Amino acid sequence: DAGVIQSPRHEVTEMGQEVTLRCKPISGHDYLFWYRQTMMRGLELLIYFNNNVPIDDSGMPEDRFSAKMPNASFSTLKIQPSEPRDSAVYFCASREGETQETQYFGPGTRLLVL
Amino acid sequence: AQSVAQPEDQVNVAEGNPLTVKCTYSVSGNPYLFWYVQYPNRGLQFLLKYITGDNLVKGSYGFEAEFNKSQTSFHLKKPSALVSDSALYFCAVRRSTSGTYKYIFGTGTRLKVLA
Repeated sequence: DAGVIQSPRHEVTEMGQEVTLRCKPISGHDYLFWYRQTMMRGLELLIYFNNNVPIDDSGMPEDRFSAKMPNASFSTLKIQPSEPRDSAVYFCASREGETQETQYFGPGTRLLVL
Repeated sequence: AQSVAQPEDQVNVAEGNPLTVKCTYSVSGNPYLFWYVQYPNRGLQFLLKYITGDNLVKGSYGFEAEFNKSQTSFHLKKPSALVSDSALYFCAVRRSTSGTYKYIFGTGTRLKVLA
């Protein structure tokens, strides 16, 4: 398996623009997680899905952020409108089933909002 | 509330010497504990986990960690450090009885192994 795939790997945009980050989890994994990593706040869980359904979105910072998982092999994290403080590395991770606690992380998307 | 503390931002150790990266946690009930490693410009990679059973857990690349319930600690150790072990290490916790799979990560400890 190719592992968790994220695109784009790098994104530079201007304040106010819409940003869409994409993730393809490992095939067969039931859970998908979106994290944000910054120097100031470390690694934060934004939202996670189970079988394509959002379960906990308490980490989503504000209404500008939204996430969807239309099917088992694809998820998006959207920021609209983007702000400079959204600059961070965004990771997607997936895990299998109820008993497997190991998460598999993608390579991340480095976002810079100017 | 769950929390994880990694008290050292950076740990320096000479190649061949033993290394320890510290982690303490706070969680109600029994914890599930994890260590992940991050190399530059890469995602996190799983190293090891404690779910139940033996307090000494062995993981990838010769790493091990000891779960100490009384001290609420889960320190990562390796008997002999390699330069290639230099990376950012994260400890994480999840409450075993929670109905959510919300993992809390520490702020990370940068390990630098000197040749």
